[in-house]
Amino acid sequence: EVTLVESGGDIVRPGGSLRLSCAASGFTFDDNGMSWVRQGPGKGLEWVSSVNWNGAITRYSDSVKGRFIISRDNAKNSLHLQMDSLRAEDTALYYCARERMYYDILSGREVSWFDPWGQGTLVTVSS
Amino acid sequence: SYELTQPPSVSVSPGQTANITCSGDTLRNKYICWYRQKPGQSPVLVMYRNNRRPSGIPERFSGSNSGVTATLAISGTQPMDEADYYCQAWDNGYVFGPGTKVSVL
Repeated sequence: EVTLVESGGDIVRPGGSLRLSCAASGFTFDDNGMSWVRQGPGKGLEWVSSVNWNGAITRYSDSVKGRFIISRDNAKNSLHLQMDSLRAEDTALYYCARERMYYDILSGREVSWFDPWGQGTLVTVSS
Repeated sequence: SYELTQPPSVSVSPGQTANITCSGDTLRNKYICWYRQKPGQSPVLVMYRNNRRPSGIPERFSGSNSGVTATLAISGTQPMDEADYYCQAWDNGYVFGPGTKVSVL
């Protein structure tokens, strides 16, 4: 069974830092890209960051670029998100998700989706 | 930045078909996927590549993309289908729609 378990969420003051982790099991971790997606209280889903299979390619949403760093340790089947300069608007449930992506030659388009998702870890930024 | 639009809510009677729409520019050039999220639970993939159902998702879930609007249809809607549904696309980053709350009344 494919399982993703997040940890590291906590209450932190504005300007502080936090490191989230995601432990993966049940699949070949280094065959897949991985992502972080967050959901603010009572809000919708917001993509945060993605990393490719070997960590060489990382992407960030504009809202976290320059403040968050995504990384992975394939030897330990783990994904991480280093969060610095935290703001109140970063308060959210942070989900780890396996990224499925391939290039469809016939259509010339990328096909992508997230499956599965972890249960999430809560980050609260408050003074 | 790229945006997807969804109606905030859709109401449907049990046994009827719920149609959840997702619109955005140049949708014909994108593949859309859909997630279902029940209260207090993590999102679950219910459709990918516009119209492909993951294993474990009932056949009454179907998807389409007309190039202008993507639609997730739930036929024979059941009370268990009550949830928030999100569409998602790729545009130099992942983009989610704002979500649609489906109520089965």
